Amino acid sequence: ILNVEQSPQSLHVQEGDSTNFTCSFPSSNFYALHWYRWETAKSPEALFVMTLNGDEKKKGRISATLNTKEGYSYLYIKGSQPEDSATYLCAFIGNQFYFGTGTSLTVIP
Amino acid sequence: DAGVIQSPRHEVTEMGQEVTLRCKPISGHNSLFWYRQTMMRGLELLIYFNNNVPIDDSGMPEDRFSAKMPNASFSTLKIQPSEPRDSAVYFCASSPGTLNYEQYFGPGTRLTVT
Repeated sequence: ILNVEQSPQSLHVQEGDSTNFTCSFPSSNFYALHWYRWETAKSPEALFVMTLNGDEKKKGRISATLNTKEGYSYLYIKGSQPEDSATYLCAFIGNQFYFGTGTSLTVIP
Repeated sequence: DAGVIQSPRHEVTEMGQEVTLRCKPISGHNSLFWYRQTMMRGLELLIYFNNNVPIDDSGMPEDRFSAKMPNASFSTLKIQPSEPRDSAVYFCASSPGTLNYEQYFGPGTRLTVT
């Protein structure tokens, strides 16, 4: 089983703060990296699919970068809002499909 | 579109019984994925189909699990016989392409095997 690690495991930030977290994955056999937002008692919601080294994607206040050579992706949230509170999950797709354990974000009003 | 539809939403069954979970993907999507979420192992891919054909079933835990996709609008995941360790939330997701496209998840089926 490959190692897909996310850090930190959990994070509390004040409303208005910007924050970022990391997904680390093997740098070989890379095909794609997915980011999901997962609210408690709901289903995962796709944020980004990233495929090329150097990819940068943005959706509103959330953006992500990808470095396939060193095996990491960053997810950034600018000006966090309470509704951003969720678990953010990455999934590495190489020869197989592996999810990280997620970063749990709590935004305090 | 109604999104990915899963049924039932909750299932409670006794050990040894057969369980069938159902999924209707978003119309026009040609890939379908079955996932299992447990406390111990998190979210795991069980199997995925492309154009109704199973592409990767390496995540299916054992022979008690089987999945079918008889047509583009319907898939089943069957567990026979069920065991308490199968208790989990099972998600179905669909995608307009293969692994480099966004996936849209259904609401999940919470299975409890007693």
